[in-house]
Amino acid sequence: EADIYQTPRYLVIGTGKKITLECSQTMGHDKMYWYQQDPGMELHLIHYSYGVNSTEKGDLSSESTVSRIRTEHFPLTLESARPSHTSQYLCASSTTGSNQPQHFGDGTRLSIL
Amino acid sequence: SQQGEEDPQALSIQEGENATMNCSYKTSINNLQWYRQNSGRGLVHLILIRSNEREKHSGRLRVTLDTSKKSSSLLITASRAADTASYFCATFGAGGGNKLTFGTGTQLKVEL
Repeated sequence: EADIYQTPRYLVIGTGKKITLECSQTMGHDKMYWYQQDPGMELHLIHYSYGVNSTEKGDLSSESTVSRIRTEHFPLTLESARPSHTSQYLCASSTTGSNQPQHFGDGTRLSIL
Repeated sequence: SQQGEEDPQALSIQEGENATMNCSYKTSINNLQWYRQNSGRGLVHLILIRSNEREKHSGRLRVTLDTSKKSSSLLITASRAADTASYFCATFGAGGGNKLTFGTGTQLKVEL
């Protein structure tokens, strides 16, 4: 129901490859977020953005990087994937303001062999 | 350690019964939110309760908030098999930072 899309949904790839996970939203939201979630576990914030050209690191240290060149697009990149990066990555967005819900994509399930 | 911890970790009930999940947190909050996650999917926002509110309803959902005990509960009445999912509480801190901190989640299974 939310207009936020993540691709790919699943990715199985070898160690050392460069990976970009895509996230796009059509709601015009200024704020966007990346979370990492292991199966059955809580979400950990790894990156967020308040708007174009704004990126911040989250609570969980991550070797990934992000960029925000356009409002609707917030890609996450791993320069050299390792098995420890195997996880589910969830993208979310919200409008400005503290009492606003976040809208989530369906996630990318990443497996590094 | 986690800002939000939920109990029970897992709950199995029969269709038609009520399900109650609890969430405890540690620091002052601006609001507390509940989300549902179906297997293999993203999170869906259910309800938001502000720190100055004590109870909120939305359809079959009832959320309470006790800021003195730093706890919240989510009640799902007359549960259905389609309610089977993981439920997460998330707090938005009073100190700002514009970030949500998620709890550990409760896995709810509703059996026919």
